[in-house]
Amino acid sequence: GQNIDQPTEMTATEGAIVQINCTYQTSGFNGLFWYQQHAGEAPTFLSYNVLDGLEEKGRFSSFLSRSKGYSYLLLKELQMKDSASYLCAVMAGSYQLTFGKGTKLSVIP
Amino acid sequence: TAGITQAPTSQILAAGRSMTLRCTQDMRHNAMYWYRQDLGLGLRLIHYSNTAGTTGKGEVPDGYSVSRANTDDFPLTLASAVPSQTSVYFCASSDSPSGGGTDTQYFGPGTRLTVL
Repeated sequence: GQNIDQPTEMTATEGAIVQINCTYQTSGFNGLFWYQQHAGEAPTFLSYNVLDGLEEKGRFSSFLSRSKGYSYLLLKELQMKDSASYLCAVMAGSYQLTFGKGTKLSVIP
Repeated sequence: TAGITQAPTSQILAAGRSMTLRCTQDMRHNAMYWYRQDLGLGLRLIHYSNTAGTTGKGEVPDGYSVSRANTDDFPLTLASAVPSQTSVYFCASSDSPSGGGTDTQYFGPGTRLTVL
């Protein structure tokens, strides 16, 4: 089976940098996804990693280490609109996505 | 482009009644999915369909059924609703999850269902 762990909540200051960690154990691996979900809305795709290393996309970057079963999402120059839940999801050998429970990020002035 | 639409937006349903949640996508994606999202539990896969005419069970399929008669539509049916099925239901689609490719899943706006 799959097991995905990420912190339940985090708080960070506007303009700062925050790192949201995700660890996973899975049967087979076909990639790791990060989604953003604002309260009352649908998840929206942020990033995808299948090889080790860092993927950068504007203010957001995502890192993967397959040998350690570890990923993080890095958000730079935090804005108030970044207050949301961030979902880590792993695609296992079955090509089905398994989601972590999400990290609720609060950005404060 | 509409992407993925779901209907209804929200619904209150009496226990024991049946209901079908509708999901339609216009992206010609092969694969479609139904998830439920509950506080503290995250998104959990109910059923999926890799291509029209095929369906499969996810992590929490009991009490739910699906059909995939064509590429665009993937309805989810609750035959006899129970209060534990109170949740937010999201439909998603992706181009193709199999055949060596991994594709991003895109989500519909969700249906908030309350079973009393």
